[in-house]
Amino acid sequence: EVHLVESGGGLVQPGGSLRLSCAASGLTVSGSYLSWVRQAPGKGLEWVSAIYGGGGTYYADSVRGRFTISRDTSKNTLYLQLNSLRAEDTAVYYCANHQPSGSWPMGHWGQGTLVTVSS
Amino acid sequence: QSALTQPASVSGSPGQSITISCTGLSSDVSGYKYVSWYQQHPGKAPKLVISDVTFRPSGVSDRFSGSKSDNTASLTISGLQAEDEADYYCNSYTSSNTPVVFGGGTKLTVL
Repeated sequence: EVHLVESGGGLVQPGGSLRLSCAASGLTVSGSYLSWVRQAPGKGLEWVSAIYGGGGTYYADSVRGRFTISRDTSKNTLYLQLNSLRAEDTAVYYCANHQPSGSWPMGHWGQGTLVTVSS
Repeated sequence: QSALTQPASVSGSPGQSITISCTGLSSDVSGYKYVSWYQQHPGKAPKLVISDVTFRPSGVSDRFSGSKSDNTASLTISGLQAEDEADYYCNSYTSSNTPVVFGGGTKLTVL
C-alpha cells in the first residue's frame, strides 16, 4: 500500500526559503511520476511541480525559477525547495503520485503540510 | 484562471442525481484529452473518484460515473447522499511543459 507523508511546512517571512519533504512507502520515488499540488486557504487545487520517473522536471509558471523539485532515492523521499517566498505561496502543499494510465491520475495523496508566508 | 472550467456550485436533494461539467478539453492528442475527477472533504486530502474519463477506482461507490463529449467531461453522482457533500475537481494531463491542470472546483451541497 502506498503512503506519502509530507513534512517541513511552517511560518516563513517573505523572501525566505523552506524545504518540503514527502516520505514515500509502497513505491520507489526513482521510478515514479510524482507531483506537488497546493491549495491556498479557501481556494482550489493548484498543480505546482512534477518529476517524471526518468527525471524530467516541470513547473507551473507561478513558481518556475523559485521552486525546485528533487528526489533522494536512498531515502525514498521527494522534496520541494521553496525560495523567494511570497505571501501568495501560503497554502497547504500536498505530494501525490500519478498512476500509469491515459490520464495519469493522482491515485495517492499525502495529508499535506501548511506553508505560511508572513512577516 | 484555470484552463478547465467548472461551475462554482451545484446542489441536489438526497436521492437525486447531479452532474458537474468540466469544459476546455481538447480532442487533439497534444491537448487535454484525458480527465480525472477528485473529491475533497473540508480539511482532507483529495481522493480520486474517476480516472481516464470513465474508470472508477476500487472502493469508489458505483453511484459515481464519468463521461465526455467533445471538449466537455462530466461527473455524475446518482442517489445523492449527505456524505457526497464536498468539493469536486476535474484534472487533465497534457504532454506540454505544464503537464497537469485542474479545474477551478465545484462545491456540491446536499440539501
